[in-house]
Amino acid sequence: DGGITQSPKYLFRKEGQNVTLSCEQNLNHDAMYWYRQDPGQGLRLIYYSQIVNDFQKGDIAEGYSVSREKKESFPLTVTSAQKNPTAFYLCASSIRLAGSNTGELFFGEGSRLTVL
Amino acid sequence: GENVEQHPSTLSVQEGDSAVIKCTYSDSASNYFPWYKQELGKRPQLIIDIRSNVGEKKDQRIAVTLNKTAKHFSLHITETQPEDSAVYFCAAHSLNLFFGTGTRLTVIP
Repeated sequence: DGGITQSPKYLFRKEGQNVTLSCEQNLNHDAMYWYRQDPGQGLRLIYYSQIVNDFQKGDIAEGYSVSREKKESFPLTVTSAQKNPTAFYLCASSIRLAGSNTGELFFGEGSRLTVL
Repeated sequence: GENVEQHPSTLSVQEGDSAVIKCTYSDSASNYFPWYKQELGKRPQLIIDIRSNVGEKKDQRIAVTLNKTAKHFSLHITETQPEDSAVYFCAAHSLNLFFGTGTRLTVIP
């Protein structure tokens, strides 16, 4: 099933290395998001973007960076400054980000990052 | 920012029984409340949502109720089936979407 694609599905990293997670959508959605999922903590927002070349920090942005050079793409870089990067990362998109009309979030299948 | 609390964290029911998951939120400006279902190893998917101008919404075996005064909303699943087993997340929209911590529902055949 298409829509929003994340890669890689599994990723292993040594401490001190930066890694970049890919997120691509073909839904023509304006808004894109990165969430981190940890057991017992639900989904926490890392970064979001409403439009190309614009992005905002979420609740847990420290140690992460993003870019939005194209509407379809919103890659997330987990830097060595992120103290506890082992987690499941979910990318999502929605038609727009505007008040109560955010609408449905469409999620990717996720990327599981393990730091060795 | 918004704070969403969700209970219980785990819930087991016999097939055919009802399941209820409850959430509270803190920001009175929140006006959109979706529920997502995440099956094991799969992506979260929207199952039902409610906006602040209504108090209840139903879709077959699933219903959501909203009490804006008390700032809580609930998911009700009737006649549960094994395929309802999943993790359910509530969320509240206030500038952004804030998720609860999830409820792992197990339906015992």
